Amino acid sequence: EAQVTQNPRYLITVTGKKLTVTCSQNMNHEYMSWYRQDPGLGLRQIYYSMNVEVTDKGDVPEGYKVSRKEKRNFPLILESPSPNQTSLYFCASGGTGSSYNEQFFGPGTRLTVL
Amino acid sequence: QQQVKQSPQSLIVQKGGIPIINCAYENTAFDYFPWYQQFPGKGPALLIAIRPDVSEKKEGRFTISFNKSAKQFSLHIMDSQPGDSATYFCASGGSNYKLTFGKGTLLTVNP
Repeated sequence: EAQVTQNPRYLITVTGKKLTVTCSQNMNHEYMSWYRQDPGLGLRQIYYSMNVEVTDKGDVPEGYKVSRKEKRNFPLILESPSPNQTSLYFCASGGTGSSYNEQFFGPGTRLTVL
Repeated sequence: QQQVKQSPQSLIVQKGGIPIINCAYENTAFDYFPWYQQFPGKGPALLIAIRPDVSEKKEGRFTISFNKSAKQFSLHIMDSQPGDSATYFCASGGSNYKLTFGKGTLLTVNP
């Protein structure tokens, strides 16, 4: 089944404790992206990657890091989480060709930083 | 700055009604305009999308109307059902894969 998976789905942590949210896709997509969703603010892009070893900042990159060492994986790293990073996070991937813009979303990771 | 403005923030209709959600974009380089549907506890999923070479696209009960000169597009849901209750996001995209999303519309369809 074609899908984007994220782990963990739920995470409660404390300020300053480094964490990683994993994202994996099995559709051989070149493009991958991380978003955060907050009430009233919609989906805001954190980082994206056009291909392996190619990453770039989105609209709200502060406090986050990413890496793209393999085509299928795109982990999101919070090196020193703060309470304002409490949010719902989505990973997405996109293909090429005529449907290159279409993005497929994972199920989400709900993060709480105390 | 907000590049895609979506309205209304929330919408309540009766079963069988035709909810309409509107979006306006600023960047004339955008050439891909999708609508995503999100149910509680799930990730957004592509519902329908349009490119600016057509003014309307219909898939089942869902229709996108596109007005290139006004830089606006809208989603119409015909014969709405309680199962259509969800959050709807419009988005705009260009040649670099990036999508810019609106803030979302919470639709409630009452039985």
